[in-house]
Parts: sequence; structure tokens; C-alpha cells
Amino acid sequence: GENVEQHPSTLSVQEGDSAVIKCTYSDSASNYFPWYKQELGKRPQLIIDIRSNVGEKKDQRIAVTLNKTAKHFSLHITETQPEDSAVYFCAASMGMDTGRRALTFGSGTRLQVQP
Amino acid sequence: NAGVTQTPKFRVLKTGQSMTLLCAQDMNHEYMYWYRQDPGMGLRLIHYSVGEGTTAKGEVPDGYNVSRLKKQNFLLGLESAAPSQTSVYFCASRDAGGAKNIQYFGAGTRLSVL
Repeated sequence: GENVEQHPSTLSVQEGDSAVIKCTYSDSASNYFPWYKQELGKRPQLIIDIRSNVGEKKDQRIAVTLNKTAKHFSLHITETQPEDSAVYFCAASMGMDTGRRALTFGSGTRLQVQP
Repeated sequence: NAGVTQTPKFRVLKTGQSMTLLCAQDMNHEYMYWYRQDPGMGLRLIHYSVGEGTTAKGEVPDGYNVSRLKKQNFLLGLESAAPSQTSVYFCASRDAGGAKNIQYFGAGTRLSVL
């Protein structure tokens, strides 16, 4: 089955700096890669996603890049703000081709933005 | 439109007790999932359902059972709770169609087994 590894497990940055979180996946059939943000005690919320036919996607201060050859994808947050502090999870799945279509999650990155 | 609703929000059990966690979604989604979240381990899939009346095992199914008698509800049962089942449980649902696998999560159930 799919295996997703995520690094780093914790990341501390100063407000205004950029943050980068990296994930690798094992199953070359995976074609959908979402990122979720989870604030303390809350549910995971989708913040951005990318499909395998796209190399990069941006949404304001957030961007995701995908390298299918190397089987890794990254989340980039620019101009970080204290409200970006949370745990971020990457995930991978096969979007259309399996009955299960579940997400395999990375272990999470705790991001702290210091004011 | 409430989305995905989980009950209860919190529960404390003694070892050996049983309980059922309820997940309800009002988005007419075909697919529903149960995950558990443990510190440092992300979310792991327990069981899932691709439609009413169907269920299947995920990565960590041992000690759990599920039922999907109605499309909108997905129940997770613990027949004989163990301390290793102390965790936060999340339910999620998604539509069957579409190229993306966007899953919508409930607020979670925090379970402690003593």
C-alpha cells in the first residue's frame, strides 16, 4: 500500500519568513495530493491540493509543488503569520482508480510562527 | 447544512466496555471513512464504506466493527475497549464523482479507555 513520509516534524519560523514542508510517497499510482491544516482541538481542513498532471499550484500565500519522477511534493507558505501556527498534514491517494480512494496521511508537521 | 457530524465529542470507557461512535453526513456522499489520530502518527484509516450496505477494512481495523445501514450514517463500534484504543477518532465523507478526493471531516471524538 501507499506510504507517505513527512518532514520536518516540527518547524519554528519568525513571522514574515517562509516555511517549507516536504513529503514523499511510495506508490507511483497516486495522483491526488492534498494538504490539510489542523488547529489545536479542531478537525483537519483542506487548504490546498494538487493533481498529478500539474507541477505547481498557488493560492495566495500558499503553494504546493509536485515532482512525480522523484515522488515528492512540498507545501510552501510565504509571509507567515501567527495564525498559520498549526499542524499540517500531507496526504496521497489514487483519485479515480480504486474502490477505496482513501487518503494516506503523513505524520504531520507542527508549525510555530513566532511573532 | 451541517456537513459531517460526530457524536459523542468525548467519552471515557473502562477496559472491556463497548460503545458506538456515530457519524452522520447531510451531503449525500457515497464514501465514508473512519480514521484514528494518535500523537506523531497522523491519521490512520480504520474502516471505510463505498456505499450504503457496504464496508471494508482499512489499515488498522482490529478491535473495531462498522455498519452503514443508511447512506447518511456510518457507525464505528468497539466491542471490548482496550487502552490502546485511546485516541481521537475522525469521520470523513466524500462524493463518489469528481477527479479529486476531497474529504470532509467531522469535529472528532476524543476517546479515553482506562
